[in-house]
Amino acid sequence: DTGVSQNPRHKITKRGQNVTFRCDPISEHNRLYWYRQTLGQGPEFLTYFQNEAQLEKSRLLSDRFSAERPKGSFSTLEIQRTEQGDSAMYLCASSLGEGNEKLFFGSGTQLSVL
Amino acid sequence: AQKITQTQPGMFVQEKEAVTLDCTYDTSDQSYGLFWYKQPSSGEMIFLIYQGSYDEQNATEGRYSLNFQKARKSANLVISASQLGDSAMYFCAMREARGYQKVTFGTGTKLQVIP
Repeated sequence: DTGVSQNPRHKITKRGQNVTFRCDPISEHNRLYWYRQTLGQGPEFLTYFQNEAQLEKSRLLSDRFSAERPKGSFSTLEIQRTEQGDSAMYLCASSLGEGNEKLFFGSGTQLSVL
Repeated sequence: AQKITQTQPGMFVQEKEAVTLDCTYDTSDQSYGLFWYKQPSSGEMIFLIYQGSYDEQNATEGRYSLNFQKARKSANLVISASQLGDSAMYFCAMREARGYQKVTFGTGTKLQVIP
């Protein structure tokens, strides 16, 4: 069990560019969550998956954000046409589901949009 | 809609003393789960303790205990015998029972342990 892995750890991009982050959950975990966290705030829910199905997407999430989890394994989060307000830490977490929602978090991807 | 409220942006505690971090929640569900996570300056989110809404006993994990008062909708975290390594952000979170049971977080409390 290597834990939840996120890549890259840091991403610096120019406004208007597209970025993609990857999350590899713990292998037997069915549920995968994406959160966004800005300095001094709690993690803000973005979306989550039960296996390959995307169950819910935050209404705060604009159409520039999209997430996938093909084959119920790793997940990618893409942000198109990045804006400075997208600068944040993007956290991925996984859980067994089925009533066990203890979340295991990755180290996050820190996005800076210049 | 559910809501998690942590009213203490920052707290100080003397080393070896106990401290209580407040969390209140708002839900109309009967079945839900409550969590506390610790986030040190390194940024990783560390699970501390879990309380199910139907659990009759307050949850305990080592020096951490959860003071669960269902009628008041509060789930305060008690840390006994504080250590310098306890200095961190602490987040209360709730798993809703309706819909797809997502987990949402409060805004956090920054705890600083003073030697």
